[in-house]
Formats: sequence, C-alpha cells, structure tokens
Amino acid sequence: GQNIDQPTEMTATEGAIVQINCTYQTSGFNGLFWYQQHAGEAPTFLSYNVLDGLEEKGRFSSFLSRSKGYSYLLLKELQMKDSASYLCAVLDSNYQLIWGAGTKLIIKP
Amino acid sequence: GAVVSQHPSRVICKSGTSVKIECRSLDFQATTMFWYRQFPKQSLMLMATSNEGSKATYEQGVEKDKFLINHASLTLSTLTVTSAHPEDSSFYICSALKGDTEAFFGQGTRLTVV
Repeated sequence: GQNIDQPTEMTATEGAIVQINCTYQTSGFNGLFWYQQHAGEAPTFLSYNVLDGLEEKGRFSSFLSRSKGYSYLLLKELQMKDSASYLCAVLDSNYQLIWGAGTKLIIKP
Repeated sequence: GAVVSQHPSRVICKSGTSVKIECRSLDFQATTMFWYRQFPKQSLMLMATSNEGSKATYEQGVEKDKFLINHASLTLSTLTVTSAHPEDSSFYICSALKGDTEAFFGQGTRLTVV
C-alpha cells in the first residue's frame, strides 16, 4: 500500500529552527510537495522536490532522498505566524497526490 | 518556480446552479493539467487529467457530465461543476505540468453548495 508518515505534532520556540520529517512508500514517484495549512484555509504551496538534495527558499528549505524515501522541511528563524499544519504529499506514478496526515507545528514565544 | 493561479479561492452557490473554476499557468505552457478533489480529513483524489486540445481523461467514478473540463489553451483549464448539490461541496485543486515531471499546484477552491 501507499504510505506517508510524518509526526503528528511538534513544538518549537520563536526564533529557533525546526525540522519536520516525512517518510514515504508509494507506487512510483513524481515529486514530493510540502504545503502549509492554517486552520480553515486552503493549503499553501511551499516547495517541490523531484531530485535529491536540498532546495532553499528564504527561511524554508526542503530536502529529498529518493533512495531512502525521505524528506524534511526545515524552518529557520521561526515566527509566530509559522504556527500551522505542514503537509507532506507525494505524486505517484499515476500523478495521484498522496497526502500525509500533516504535522501541527506549535510555536511558543 | 512556476506559478499556477486558481480562481476563485472560495465560492458559495445555490443548489442546482453551475460553478466554473479556472486554473491558469501564468509563466509557462502546460499541455497537461490535473484536477483534484479533497474531502475533509482525506487525501486528494485525482478527478481527471486535462489535455490541451483534446477531451479530458476522467478517473473511475467521476461523472463526466457533472464535472465538465475544458482545456482550450496551453495556459488555461476550467472545471465546471454543473447542477451543483450540497454533496459537491469540497476543496478542488488543480495542478499544471511543466515539462514532463514538474507539477505546480494552484491555491485551491473551496466550494460550498447551499
């Protein structure tokens, strides 16, 4: 079966760094996405990785290792507004998007 | 990165009316676009693959006559929910394929049918 695993909840301090991990087992792979979702809102696209390595975009970076079926989202200089759910999703060989359950990130002052 | 714009982001309509959702690739041409639907607390479900200049390919169980897809140009695909009913209320997302492997997603449309 297809499976995406990520932690249910994480807590971090304002100004610090947090890494949210995602492991996946899917039928084929056409890329991995990270989305940010605030309660009651549509997911917002953060990053897309299809090749191994680190992609950096300002305070957010995403890493992918296809051989390990592993990705992480790194958030630096955390701000209170970063409190949200972070969703990992994999596009499988049929271009079906398989979503993880999401990681709720709580930022404390 | 490439930008895909989906409009509207939210829409409320009366039961029995039709609603059109647009998906535009702003800075690249997309021969192929995908339409997804997300039910609460569930994964996205692929509804159909939209190919420019030809008929869309619908996934099993998706009603073609209810969810009309038009991909008339390389930068625009539209999804029309016809004769909408409350059970059609959902979150609809499109994505556009850049090249062969990169898919860029729209912001999503939250449809509420009352």
